Amino acid sequence: EDKVVQSPLSLVVHEGDTVTLNCSYEVTNFRSLLWYKQEKKAPTFLFMLTSSGIEKKSGRLSSILDKKELFSILNITATQTGDSAVYLCAVGNNAGNMLTFGGGTRLMVKP
Amino acid sequence: DADVTQTPRNRITKTGKRIMLECSQTKGHDRMYWYRQDPGLGLRLIYYSFDVKDINKGEISDGYSVSRQAQAKFSLSLESAIPNQTALYFCATSEGTYSNQPQHFGDGTRLSIL
Repeated sequence: EDKVVQSPLSLVVHEGDTVTLNCSYEVTNFRSLLWYKQEKKAPTFLFMLTSSGIEKKSGRLSSILDKKELFSILNITATQTGDSAVYLCAVGNNAGNMLTFGGGTRLMVKP
Repeated sequence: DADVTQTPRNRITKTGKRIMLECSQTKGHDRMYWYRQDPGLGLRLIYYSFDVKDINKGEISDGYSVSRQAQAKFSLSLESAIPNQTALYFCATSEGTYSNQPQHFGDGTRLSIL
């Protein structure tokens, strides 16, 4: 059974701090790892990672995958209150487009 | 307009009632999915469909059924609702050419069963 574990469960920081969110996984025939940001409504897509060691970057957010150690991190630098959200990690396998989601990390950024 | 639209947005109903949640998309994607989200458990897959004639059970399909009426429409039914089906339900879509393309989510239906 595929499994995704995210840590920490929740995190409170102040604006300007840098945060690192963790995602570890066990999946048969790994194909990709995805990060989503969920505010009050729909999860919105951030990154898809398929290769180890290649950083994906979008503004203040970046992510990297380690396929040997079976984990990924999501970094957010110079955090802003608008970064407050639940961040979801999901992994997909080669059996199709089914994603297994972790329980999420709830990030709160205080002014 | 949203690319993936779910109706209703909120629903409160009683145990034993039949409920249908609807999802429509304008993205032209072949693949559609229904998930439920419970606090601390992430999203869990209920059913998915890779095209109009294809329906597959997900991780937690018991107590649910689906219908893919057209490429753009995928509905989820609870034949006889029970309180532990209280959750936030999401519909999602993705392109069908390659596996593991990003899924795009609707805004969700918050369902409460009393």
